[in-house]
Amino acid sequence: DTEVTQTPKHLVMGMTNKKSLKCEQHMGHRAMYWYKQKAKKPPELMFVYSYEKLSINESVPSRFSPECPNSSLLNLHLHALQPEDSALYLCASRQGFGYTFGSGTRLTVV
Amino acid sequence: GQQVMQIPQYQHVQEGEDFTTYCNSSTTLSNIQWYKQRPGGHPVFLIQLVKSGEVKKQKRLTFQFGEAKKNSSLHITATQTTDVGTYFCAGINYQLIWGAGTKLIIKP
Repeated sequence: DTEVTQTPKHLVMGMTNKKSLKCEQHMGHRAMYWYKQKAKKPPELMFVYSYEKLSINESVPSRFSPECPNSSLLNLHLHALQPEDSALYLCASRQGFGYTFGSGTRLTVV
Repeated sequence: GQQVMQIPQYQHVQEGEDFTTYCNSSTTLSNIQWYKQRPGGHPVFLIQLVKSGEVKKQKRLTFQFGEAKKNSSLHITATQTTDVGTYFCAGINYQLIWGAGTKLIIKP
């Protein structure tokens, strides 16, 4: 299995909702990442997990809460988001040099 | 902070013409990676360059890393419709530092 699987593919949520994004990989990669990508922009790093521990938080607002339950899973919990948080949320994993990205969750906050 | 500049922002070509995108870093990079993102898709890793002056080829794609490890280029020969997408360079110093991307558009 050489994929990173993200669910859901699309999500529409209200500003008072709580939702979670899920990411799964079975390549044995020990580094996992959350990125946010706005239209016509490069991906923007949010969080890095290394060996299941949060190693980097790029000053992300607390309405985004990451979780790494085990070495294959990464979650991103969302609460009280703003319309400007609407974006493509990408999960990636890495072992060695190449990053493998999931297909992303396209999030719309209404 | 550290930046990677990438130009041009867009390039319109006729099918069969060549395409080139350039990246330039404000500081020396340990290595550089290239990604392709199709419209509506996600970034896909193409290649990593590590050595000063390195040149690597993948079929019609040629990747170069500058002697000072501060610039890089991607050249596509004889573009095809399957080449359409945005090409990103990403320099590496601990984490990826992304260029803004160059969108390859094939003229109808």
